Amino acid sequence: EAQVTQNPRYLITVTGKKLTVTCSQNMNHEYMSWYRQDPGLGLRQIYYSMNVEVTDKGDVPEGYKVSRKEKRNFPLILESPSPNQTSLYFCASSSGTGVQPQHFGDGTRLSIL
Amino acid sequence: KNQVEQSPQSLIILEGKNCTLQCNYTVSPFSNLRWYKQDTGRGPVSLTIMTFSENTKSNGRYTATLDADTKQSSLHITASQLSDSASYICVVPLGGSQGNLIFGKGTKLSVKP
Repeated sequence: EAQVTQNPRYLITVTGKKLTVTCSQNMNHEYMSWYRQDPGLGLRQIYYSMNVEVTDKGDVPEGYKVSRKEKRNFPLILESPSPNQTSLYFCASSSGTGVQPQHFGDGTRLSIL
Repeated sequence: KNQVEQSPQSLIILEGKNCTLQCNYTVSPFSNLRWYKQDTGRGPVSLTIMTFSENTKSNGRYTATLDADTKQSSLHITASQLSDSASYICVVPLGGSQGNLIFGKGTKLSVKP
């Protein structure tokens, strides 16, 4: 089944403790992206990657890191999480050719205390 | 400023009725506009993508229209069902590519029996 898989789905942690949210897709997609969704603000793009070893900042990249060492994986790294990064996070992927829809994962709910 | 604005913010309709959701954008240059449906607690799912040359596109009971001159799009839902209850999100890529995406805040639709 074609899918985007995020892990963990839920995480409660404390300020300053490094964490990684993994994202994996099995559709051989070139494009991958991370978003956060907050009440009243909608979805906002954090980082995106057009292909392996190519990443670019979205609208809200501060406090986040990403890497794209292989096509299927696009982990989101919070080196020193803070409470304002408490949010619902989505990973998405799409084919890089033409105008294609994005396929989203089911989300990761992060709570930073 | 590149923006995507949706209206209304929320909408309640009775099952079986039709409704229309609006999306206005100021993103330039423009290449395409996307509508997504997001069920509570799930990732968004693509409904339709419209390029600048398309005026109308249907996906079952969902029909999207696009007026590139006035920079407006609408999503019309016919004969609504309880399962249509969700948030509907309008998305426009920045700069004409699919890399950096600008999301509207969504319209939350509730369909009541």
